[in-house]
Amino acid sequence: GQNIDQPTEMTATEGAIVQINCTYQTSGFNGLFWYQQHAGEAPTFLSYNVLDGLEEKGRFSSFLSRSKGYSYLLLKELQMKDSASYLCAAMDSNYQLIWGAGTKLIIKP
Amino acid sequence: GAVVSQHPSWVICKSGTSVKIECRSLDFQATTMFWYRQFPKQSLMLMATSNEGSKATYEQGVEKDKFLINHASLTLSTLTVTSAHPEDSSFYICSARDLGGQQETQYFGPGTRLLVL
Repeated sequence: GQNIDQPTEMTATEGAIVQINCTYQTSGFNGLFWYQQHAGEAPTFLSYNVLDGLEEKGRFSSFLSRSKGYSYLLLKELQMKDSASYLCAAMDSNYQLIWGAGTKLIIKP
Repeated sequence: GAVVSQHPSWVICKSGTSVKIECRSLDFQATTMFWYRQFPKQSLMLMATSNEGSKATYEQGVEKDKFLINHASLTLSTLTVTSAHPEDSSFYICSARDLGGQQETQYFGPGTRLLVL
């Protein structure tokens, strides 16, 4: 079956760095997405990885290892506004997104 | 990034009535749009895939006669919740696939919160 695993909740301190891990198992693979979702709002796109390696975009970076079925989202210089849920989603061979349950990130001052 | 709009953002209706939600891609053409439902503190659940000019593909357990989807143009898909009941109260979110960019990405609308009394 298809499955995405990511931690349920993480806590970090303002100004610090946090890494949110995601492992996936899908029928075929067409990329790994990370979305940010603030409470009560729709998800917003953060990153897309389809090749192995690290993609850096400002304070956010995303890493992919296809052989390990593994990705992580790295958030640097954390700000209070980064408190949100972070959703990992893998795209299968039918171009359907398979969603993780999301990681709730709590930022403390 | 690409912009997707949804209308209305909030709906409160009586049980038994029908509610139509619109999803529009504003600056790109979307041959495929997706409809999701999200209950509080739960992950997104794909309801159906909407393909322009053809019938929608529904996920297992989603009643196609209850959740009517129409994707009549490259920029508009509609979801109609027919004979809504309180258990249909949820956050409905659409997304559109932008194939015109450098990567295949789904962009989400802001969502529609439905409350059925």
